[in-house]
Amino acid sequence: GAGVSQSPRYKVAKRGQDVALRCDPISGHVSLFWYQQALGQGPEFLTYFQNEAQLDKSGLPSDRFFAERPEGSVSTLKIQRTQQEDSAVYLCASSSKIAGRQYFGAGTRLSVL
Amino acid sequence: ILNVEQSPQSLHVQEGDSTNFTCSFPSSNFYALHWYRWETAKSPEALFVMTLNGDEKKKGRISATLNTKEGYSYLYIKGSQPEDSATYLCAFIYNQGGKLIFGQGTELSVKP
Repeated sequence: GAGVSQSPRYKVAKRGQDVALRCDPISGHVSLFWYQQALGQGPEFLTYFQNEAQLDKSGLPSDRFFAERPEGSVSTLKIQRTQQEDSAVYLCASSSKIAGRQYFGAGTRLSVL
Repeated sequence: ILNVEQSPQSLHVQEGDSTNFTCSFPSSNFYALHWYRWETAKSPEALFVMTLNGDEKKKGRISATLNTKEGYSYLYIKGSQPEDSATYLCAFIYNQGGKLIFGQGTELSVKP
């Protein structure tokens, strides 16, 4: 497709469950970013990849959060033992160059009950 | 801690009104300032990428200005239309790092 694709669009998880969120970036984009948007807030940076290398993971809130991009294309954000405070919209973005325009997916809305 | 502030948080205007909102960001280590429009259930869409002090960008009825020395940017919408209703986000990049530091957004509602 032409844009960034994220799946699933909505995910309901019971507290303690593991979840995996997928991001398909625009083909050829070397940079990939994950952001978390809590209700009423702006998106907050989680982590950044350049190709398959995770160059910055300073925004991951705890060691329950893990992201990978093994072949430099599709990325997965995994959250282990989900907690209620993990409920948020998770946005993925890709870019053809560092600090350039970022193209966003529509996000995955995660609700942890 | 790098902080980006947007004001107002929300704005309700009538169709045809012109409006503007503000983004404040740290003036040191500036690299770029992005504006995004985010409509409900859609992807955030980039409006402008601004890098130079004094930059002015325009896209149809929407324009933006940038002052990197004092750390602010204004977004203007001329003759608001209902389809302009969305959340407008500004985001700051420092030191070529690439990661966006977002403000909390301004939610605009335009009534017909």
